[in-house]
This record gives sequence, C-alpha cells and structure tokens, in this order.
Amino acid sequence: QQQVKQSPQSLIVQKGGISIINCAYENTAFDYFPWYQQFPGKGPALLIAIRPDVSEKKEGRFTISFNKSAKQFSLHIMDSQPGDSATYFCAASMTGGFKTIFGAGTRLFVKA
Amino acid sequence: EAQVTQNPRYLITVTGKKLTVTCSQNMNHEYMSWYRQDPGLGLRQIYYSMNVEVTDKGDVPEGYKVSRKEKRNFPLILESPSPNQTSLYFCASSLTSHSYEQYFGPGTRLTVT
Repeated sequence: QQQVKQSPQSLIVQKGGISIINCAYENTAFDYFPWYQQFPGKGPALLIAIRPDVSEKKEGRFTISFNKSAKQFSLHIMDSQPGDSATYFCAASMTGGFKTIFGAGTRLFVKA
Repeated sequence: EAQVTQNPRYLITVTGKKLTVTCSQNMNHEYMSWYRQDPGLGLRQIYYSMNVEVTDKGDVPEGYKVSRKEKRNFPLILESPSPNQTSLYFCASSLTSHSYEQYFGPGTRLTVT
C-alpha cells in the first residue's frame, strides 16, 4: 500500500501554541519521511525530515516524532507564529525507489 | 541563484489545444519530476526522469507526455488537454534519484475550459 494519510485537513492554533500534524503509512519499505512547507503562490520546500532509525528529530521549533511500530509520524511546531501559517505536507520515500508519496496536506493558520 | 523555473506561471486554454509547460533547473540535478496538486489530494506524481533520455510514469501519467533531452530541462506536454487536467503543476528536481530532498519550482496554474 503506497498511501500516506495525513490529518487534520486544517488547523487553527493561537500564537504561541503547539501545532500538531499527523501522518500514517502502510508500506514498511519507506525509509525517509520528509515534511514540506508551502506558502501561498510558492512551491513546497523541505522543512525537516527523519529516517526510521530514530524516534525524534528536532530543528529549532520543529520536531518530528516517529513511531515505527505504529507506522505513524507527526510534526510538532512549538511556539507557533503567524509566519508559520502555510500548508504542510508529509511524505514518504524508499531507498532505490524513485517516487515520493505525499499526504493530502494540512492548512495551518496561526492566529495572532 | 540555485532554482527551478517554470513557464508559464498561469495558463488558460481550451479543450484539445496542445500545450507545453517548461521546467528548467540550474543545479545540475540528475532527477526531475512533475507533480500536480489538487485540493484534498496533495501532490501526485505525473512523470519522473532519472537522467537524460530516461523517463518513467508516476501515479497519474494519463494525458501527459514528457521528454528529457537535456539535463537541465524537463518539459511537460499536454497534447489534448481536458478540463480534468485543470490543476496546479509543480516541477521538482533533486541531485540524484537517491537524493531525497526535492527542490520545487514556483508552480503553473493551468485552467482548461
């Protein structure tokens, strides 16, 4: 199964709050899980990524939590800011494969 | 500046009128790919290319063609566009097919009436 399921579709968070976006996958051959951030009128840009040999990766206010046994991973945005308002896509890729499978996206709005 | 460029950025056309969306990258990347973005469906891969003269179908290739005659260019061709191809299209590239980070172009919004 090649799908990556992402939730929620949309999210409204107060400034300073924590934004959490969840993704689930089926294919255990996936070995790279990136998150892309997309601002209106722009192409997606890599935000942060993780491999399944670690359970957590943190870069500044952005953290990926990875649960290999549950085949789930999530993005946490700490101290969310209005400038974080964007669409976020989770994705999955596999070594030797030439495809990246994207989730449906989450529109995040951070209220000032 | 390292970038992926697409042209045109916006295009309105009629059913059946052949069109080409160009994509060019200046990073000497081997791997290039085309995606379409539709609400609620995320990004779906149309075609990809691992190198010059090497292309293959993605998940939604019907109605599209591609070519890769030069490393930097990867045009997307719609020979007979239909309204269900109205979408936002993105070209992306990465250093190799095993380099996971993809760099995306700014997008082309296509409307087929």
